[in-house]
Amino acid sequence: AQSVTQLDSQVPVFEEAPVELRCNYSSSVSVYLFWYVQYPNQGLQLLLKYLSGSTLVKGINGFEAEFNKSQTSFHLRKPSVHISDTAEYFCAVSDLGQGAQKLVFGQGTRLTINP
Amino acid sequence: NAGVTQTPKFQVLKTGQSMTLQCAQDMNHEYMSWYRQDPGMGLRLIHYSVGAGITDQGEVPNGYNVSRSTTEDFPLRLLSAAPSQTSVYFCASSNRFEQFFGPGTRLTVL
Repeated sequence: AQSVTQLDSQVPVFEEAPVELRCNYSSSVSVYLFWYVQYPNQGLQLLLKYLSGSTLVKGINGFEAEFNKSQTSFHLRKPSVHISDTAEYFCAVSDLGQGAQKLVFGQGTRLTINP
Repeated sequence: NAGVTQTPKFQVLKTGQSMTLQCAQDMNHEYMSWYRQDPGMGLRLIHYSVGAGITDQGEVPNGYNVSRSTTEDFPLRLLSAAPSQTSVYFCASSNRFEQFFGPGTRLTVL
């Protein structure tokens, strides 16, 4: 079974500053990894995903994440945030055999951008 | 394409009442699932389906029933609502590489 730990429940940053949202996972098998974003009162939208290949994955809205197998991490980064990035971010994992069909989510990180 | 649709958007129930949350997708995905979202707990899987006529339990199935008679529809039933079922419910459908989420149903049980 897989599990996901998002190390920060809340992250406040100033506009135009860089941000990193941390995600660690646990699994005994190879995995797919995902980051989803949830804007206030909306559903979840895929930011990016790691399936295979390059460990640096680029997503929408200028976000990127790096898969580190040895540290079992998949941290999300953005070099310069905007007010519009205020949202809750979820890291999720699934095992390779099931693809994206059975996700295990972390607890979420609430990103607040201050002007 | 509408993607994944859910109805209703909001619902208030009294303890003991029953209701069905509707979910439909137009992407011809075999796999569909229901999650509940509670503060500080992320999303937890309630039930899922790998195709019409096939359903299985997720992490938190108690108090919920599902059925899947068509590829498009995957309703979630609360037979006797309890205050602990106050939550936001998300339906999702997926291909092998991505899950697509509906807009959610906010349910309050008094």
